[in-house]
Parts: sequence; structure tokens; C-alpha cells
Amino acid sequence: RKEVEQDPGPFNVPEGATVAFNCTYSNSASQSFFWYRQDCRKEPKLLMSVYSSGNEDGRFTAQLNRASQYISLLIRDSKLSDSATYLCVVSLTGGGNKLTFGTGTQLKVEL
Amino acid sequence: DTGVSQNPRHKITKRGQNVTFRCDPISEHNRLYWYRQTLGQGPEFLTYFQNEAQLEKSRLLSDRFSAERPKGSFSTLEIQRTEQGDSAMYLCASSLRRGGKYNEQFFGPGTRLTVL
Repeated sequence: RKEVEQDPGPFNVPEGATVAFNCTYSNSASQSFFWYRQDCRKEPKLLMSVYSSGNEDGRFTAQLNRASQYISLLIRDSKLSDSATYLCVVSLTGGGNKLTFGTGTQLKVEL
Repeated sequence: DTGVSQNPRHKITKRGQNVTFRCDPISEHNRLYWYRQTLGQGPEFLTYFQNEAQLEKSRLLSDRFSAERPKGSFSTLEIQRTEQGDSAMYLCASSLRRGGKYNEQFFGPGTRLTVL
């Protein structure tokens, strides 16, 4: 079983749509949680950290459920520029903060 | 540009040859990480340094792989006797560790290795 599992993609959505990505992680000792964005043939970049209380950054909302070991990302009013691969990422505190990535979910926003 | 830089950006080599990649982290970042990414997968952790000390190596890092960070600044990753399965994007990231708090890892553009 992979340590971090994500929804299979790709997600093809029209501009303006709301789209949700889900992720589960297997290591209950995981302490830090993130969503990274990766454009085609580019490096991953931090989109947002995910906190237990849930957090929002503009059109993006992230949620964490520690009991279910489940992470989500909601994108509202999607833009063409949101087209990318979204990577669910966890980290163990004390493990050098090495990141464990999911396989990523590809999003294509279309006109 | 003050971001993480990696060289070369692309490397094509024949099976059995040795290759070396270089990573220059963001200035004053004391942590440096190497990851490998294959097509359709997320990056996988290989190893990391705090200053010049290599603190952890993944099981993915076979004895053909060696990484160094001799002066706690730039790092090199060498692959000896390359195999076709080594073909991947090799990503370097750096962060500034302050206390026990997590600090964002900034990734470089990667070195794409193709082994023929």
C-alpha cells in the first residue's frame, strides 16, 4: 500500500467549476500536511499547508481529518491557470522533515 | 536568481556510464534534499543533509548512488554504472531549519536523466 494515496486523474472541468481532490495517508505519526502544485515539466511548488482546523487561501480550501487520515483540497471558481498536477504531501516531524508525496492528480480546466 | 539551481538540466548517457549532478541551494539554507521523480509518479525521497552531514538515506539509494555536501553549501549526486531504471527527474530542494519547526522546502528545476 502506498503511504499517500490520491484520487486517480485526470479531472477535466469547465472554467468556473468547483473541484475537490482527496487524499489518504497510512502513517498515523505524520505531523505535517501539504498540497503542492506541479506544472508540466516543472518543479513542485508549495500551494498550501493543511491544518487540523482547516484553512483557506483565496479560492483554495484545505481540510485535514486526523482520525480518518484524510486530506482534501477544494478549488472554487477554477481558472485555466489552475491546470496542473496537485500533489498531496505528508511529513513526519523529527524525520528530517522529508516529504512523502502522493502520485498526484492532474487537473485540466477547459473553456 | 536566488532560487535552487541544478546542473545540468538534461543528461543523456549510455548504460554503464557514471553521471554526476550538482545542486546549489538557496544561500544560507542548511538543509538540502534529493528526490527522484519518474513519469506519472510523485517525487520520492532519496537523501538529505543538514549542513555537511548526510543524516538519512532512503532504501531507494543503492550502493551505486552517492551524495555529498562537502562544505555544507552545494551538493553532488553521483550515479555509478547507470541502468535504464535510473532514468528519471532528479530534484533537489533546500530549506532553512530553525528549531523544530517545519520550514518550506524549495525545489530546483531538476536534472532529467535518460539512460540509453
